[in-house]
Amino acid sequence: DVKVTQSSRYLVKRTGEKVFLECVQDMDHENMFWYRQDPGLGLRLIYFSYDVKMKEKGDIPEGYSVSREKKERFSLILESASTNQTSMYLCASTTAGGNTGELFFGEGSRLTVL
Amino acid sequence: GENVEQHPSTLSVQEGDSAVIKCTYSDSASNYFPWYKQELGKGPQLIIDIRSNVGEKKDQRIAVTLNKTAKHFSLHITETQPEDSAVYFCAASLEGSARQLTFGSGTQLTVLP
Repeated sequence: DVKVTQSSRYLVKRTGEKVFLECVQDMDHENMFWYRQDPGLGLRLIYFSYDVKMKEKGDIPEGYSVSREKKERFSLILESASTNQTSMYLCASTTAGGNTGELFFGEGSRLTVL
Repeated sequence: GENVEQHPSTLSVQEGDSAVIKCTYSDSASNYFPWYKQELGKGPQLIIDIRSNVGEKKDQRIAVTLNKTAKHFSLHITETQPEDSAVYFCAASLEGSARQLTFGSGTQLTVLP
């Protein structure tokens, strides 16, 4: 069974702290994504990676960075957390090319910044 | 870029009734339209998708219709059951371009017993 695992389901951090959100997939997928989910705004793409050490900015990259040192792992980094980054963060992966385009999501990491 | 609008934001139906969620998109080049279901405490999961070379697709109790001329597509759930209660997201993109997938704002469906 395919699996995308986000290491932290719930985090509480203080303003200015550095935050790491980790995501691991076991499907050997080339593409990995970080989305932010807010009520009434749907899912918005923060960053996308199509290969190890390769990344592209999504629609809302400000205040975030990412790291992909290994194919199965994609990390989202908040260098200095702010209260407006309180949100649900979803990691997803998919295979490159193909026709399905199906995204496989993790269960999410709910971050609260105080 | 693509803009996807989704309505309604909340929907309550009696068990056994039908539910319809509608989405419109702005980019006429989009040709892939998936629907994701997010149950409480879980990540979204693909439930059905449609490509622009077909007008309708069914899978048991769920169906999706696409009107390319009007640039809108809809999700239909018949004979709703309590386990259908969830948040549903529509999305649009060019096929094979997951990077460009644009999601709607979501619909909270509640099926009342």
